[in-house]
Amino acid sequence: NAGVTQTPKFQVLKTGQSMTLQCAQDMNHNSMYWYRQDPGMGLRLIYYSASEGTTDKGEVPNGYNVSRLNKREFSLRLESAAPSQTSVYFCAGKPDINTEAFFGQGTRLTVV
Amino acid sequence: KQEVTQIPAALSVPEGENLVLNCSFTDSAIYNLQWFRQDPGKGLTSLLLIQSSQREQTSGRLNASLDKSSGRSTLYIAASQPGDSATYLCLLRDSNYQLIWGAGTKLIIKP
Repeated sequence: NAGVTQTPKFQVLKTGQSMTLQCAQDMNHNSMYWYRQDPGMGLRLIYYSASEGTTDKGEVPNGYNVSRLNKREFSLRLESAAPSQTSVYFCAGKPDINTEAFFGQGTRLTVV
Repeated sequence: KQEVTQIPAALSVPEGENLVLNCSFTDSAIYNLQWFRQDPGKGLTSLLLIQSSQREQTSGRLNASLDKSSGRSTLYIAASQPGDSATYLCLLRDSNYQLIWGAGTKLIIKP
């Protein structure tokens, strides 16, 4: 999806390792979101940022931290990866309330 | 708390049929609702966005409707094709600025 870029696309971690998933957008989105998608569970919100400098917990925030240092970037950090965090992670941006959401292509993370 | 439900979880129909996918929500105070498709192992592709003030949106063979009073949105696919096979998800923006997903309907179009 145009305008929202996630890196990396794939990652394998060992239990206990840390890593940061990057998300950048060039569409001037005010709001940005991190979701995880698991089979049979649908998409669940981890954290969101309504505007630059603000972040709020979503449905499943435990084990994650986020950072919104500027308007373009919203990163998701796993401090100590666990196998339960094996999932596909999606970042999304939304310019304002009444516009559509744009999603990155996802990061497939496996924790062994 | 707003809840979004998509029933059925899976649907299989012969090619050429017209079909309707459903998205139900419990609180009518929404800003907009968006339909996506997701192909296996792929990202999310936006199909249609309906604002709370709108009744329907159309794009090609797709038509999405919104009835806030009944808490329901439908995605109508005309003359289905095997390429339409995917999981279809609805995404709702509620009055608290949260984005809430349905769990999706997996659609299989049989040639």
